[in-house]
Amino acid sequence: QKEVEQDPGPLSVPEGAIVSLNCTYSNSAFQYFMWYRQYSRKGPELLMYTYSSGNKEDGRFTAQVDKSSKYISLFIRDSQPSDSATYLCAGSDYKLSFGAGTTVTVRA
Amino acid sequence: ETGVTQTPRHLVMGMTNKKSLKCEQHLGHNAMYWYKQSAKKPLELMFVYSLEERVENNSVPSRFSPECPNSSHLFLHLHTLQPEDSALYLCASSQDLRTGLTDTQYFGPGTRLTVL
Repeated sequence: QKEVEQDPGPLSVPEGAIVSLNCTYSNSAFQYFMWYRQYSRKGPELLMYTYSSGNKEDGRFTAQVDKSSKYISLFIRDSQPSDSATYLCAGSDYKLSFGAGTTVTVRA
Repeated sequence: ETGVTQTPRHLVMGMTNKKSLKCEQHLGHNAMYWYKQSAKKPLELMFVYSLEERVENNSVPSRFSPECPNSSHLFLHLHTLQPEDSALYLCASSQDLRTGLTDTQYFGPGTRLTVL
């Protein structure tokens, strides 16, 4: 069983829509949660980082962690074509585990 | 040059070849990582180095051999690979090991490897 499950998509939305990305995880020891964004032909880059449960907002991006249900979410408001990328979720208990990534296309 | 660089960007090799992947970080970090990224699969951590010492080897076949001569450079030596080893190989670095496992890792662009 994978420690972090993520629907690979692809997900296609019109410009301006809200993008909702989700992951589930199995390791209840995870305390640290990240979202990485990976553009085509590039390496992943950290987008959001949260510790334990709760919400974190950064501009158009909101990350949520619900440890009771082992659920990780990322919301992108007012999506732009430049948000088209693969989004990787990850959890860590001092050992990092990634999801498979969800490919998102925002159509102009 | 800034960030994490990787060379070559693309590599095609036969199963009997020997080649090496190179990673260099210009961030003054103390921890470096090798990952394998295959389509539709999670990133697989292969090796972790902290202060030039290997601290993790995740059951990687011996046909992959890492080398970390100093804190800025990381190599992955390849020999007698199999077609299923074709993937994107990513290098990453972090300020230190704890930061990398709980906060931010900085990734290079990867080497796209094809094994014929």
